Amino acid sequence: AQKITQTQPGMFVQEKEAVTLDCTYDTSDPSYGLFWYKQPSSGEMIFLIYQGSYDQQNATEGRYSLNFQKARKSANLVISASQLGDSAMYFCAMRELPGIGFQKLVFGTGTRLLVSP
Amino acid sequence: DVKVTQSSRYLVKRTGEKVFLECVQDMDHENMFWYRQDPGLGLRLIYFSYDVKMKEKGDIPEGYSVSREKKERFSLILESASTNQTSMYLCASSLGGGAGAQYFGPGTRLLVL
Repeated sequence: AQKITQTQPGMFVQEKEAVTLDCTYDTSDPSYGLFWYKQPSSGEMIFLIYQGSYDQQNATEGRYSLNFQKARKSANLVISASQLGDSAMYFCAMRELPGIGFQKLVFGTGTRLLVSP
Repeated sequence: DVKVTQSSRYLVKRTGEKVFLECVQDMDHENMFWYRQDPGLGLRLIYFSYDVKMKEKGDIPEGYSVSREKKERFSLILESASTNQTSMYLCASSLGGGAGAQYFGPGTRLLVL
């Protein structure tokens, strides 16, 4: 069974600093995808970044990058130059591939990030 | 731009009432999902649909049903609401096939009294 573990219930960072949010996963399937989502206090889940298990390079999207270490089964999110608007809950999620027309995501329990001025 | 909308941001219902939560996406996505989110439990999948009139049970389908009569619309139905169904409900959609992110709506906070 798939499992996602986020061991940090909360993280603090000062504005303009970088922060790493940890995520480890467990799967026996060689094909899978890893996702990070941001959930502000408004409640909407916002897709941030995706990493496929066969991707050779770490994914990057603007200030977000994914530190993918396949052998260690970790997919940490790195946010560079933190901004006050980055304060939110962050969820790591995994999907095993290939699907048969559906894409079931399994989510971790999340990390709350607080960015201070 | 990707857009998933949910019929209500907040709902208050009484125990035993029938509750409809509606979700609409305008991205022509094949897949649609309903999750509930509770503190400490993360997101849990209730039901999903990969085509019109098709549905599959997720991890916690008990007490819920769904309907997908049109590609863009996916409804979650609580046949007889109970207090343990008080939660945040999130709808999502995604393209068919093996890749692509799920895009979420703003969520509905349901309180069952």
